Amino acid sequence: ETGVTQTPRHLVMGMTNKKSLKCEQHLGHNAMYWYKQSAKKPLELMFVYNFKEQTENNSVPSRFSPECPNSSHLFLHLHTLQPEDSALYLCASSHRPGQGKYQETQYFGPGTRLLVL
Amino acid sequence: RKEVEQDPGPFNVPEGATVAFNCTYSNSASQSFFWYRQDCRKEPKLLMSVYSSGNEDGRFTAQLNRASQYISLLIRDSKLSDSATYLCVVNPGSARQLTFGSGTQLTVLP
Repeated sequence: ETGVTQTPRHLVMGMTNKKSLKCEQHLGHNAMYWYKQSAKKPLELMFVYNFKEQTENNSVPSRFSPECPNSSHLFLHLHTLQPEDSALYLCASSHRPGQGKYQETQYFGPGTRLLVL
Repeated sequence: RKEVEQDPGPFNVPEGATVAFNCTYSNSASQSFFWYRQDCRKEPKLLMSVYSSGNEDGRFTAQLNRASQYISLLIRDSKLSDSATYLCVVNPGSARQLTFGSGTQLTVLP
């Protein structure tokens, strides 16, 4: 149903592991986003990419490293995470990033539920 | 003050009831507004966009009050399938990204 896919859907990793989250959008959009959603908290924007260029890094720790090889694919590389990084990581896309009066609608992927032990 | 504030609920209402949620925002320059719904353990999905005074789509009505800096979502004739968390989302303008509220949880009871 969704035009944005994410893999894996669930991930359990130790603090010393390195893993990557993948997002792919099939909507022809130019902007892609990573969000973190912790229990009982609002979605937190992490990174924004517009035409493959990173336009926003919302003070995210360096243990999270994004990569955007093209407008359809977005990765989040994870290393030496902490237990407090356990959360739902959501990818979204839109025609263009948040600019101007009419914010283009963001479409979300199903998310990766991450547990850091 | 939070940029976007919502009553977390939960709102428990019987089928067929009318329920309304409010959302307040702090940035008076905010330009557009959205309601998303998020089912348990699923991704947020756009429910309605609000660019002017309001918007209506079937049983759902969103209204914007710029003077008081709040938007509301009214759901008429509630269905069991309306049970979800409703996220208020604000575009603060000035090239800033969307700001999400924490959500209001709704449970429609049979």
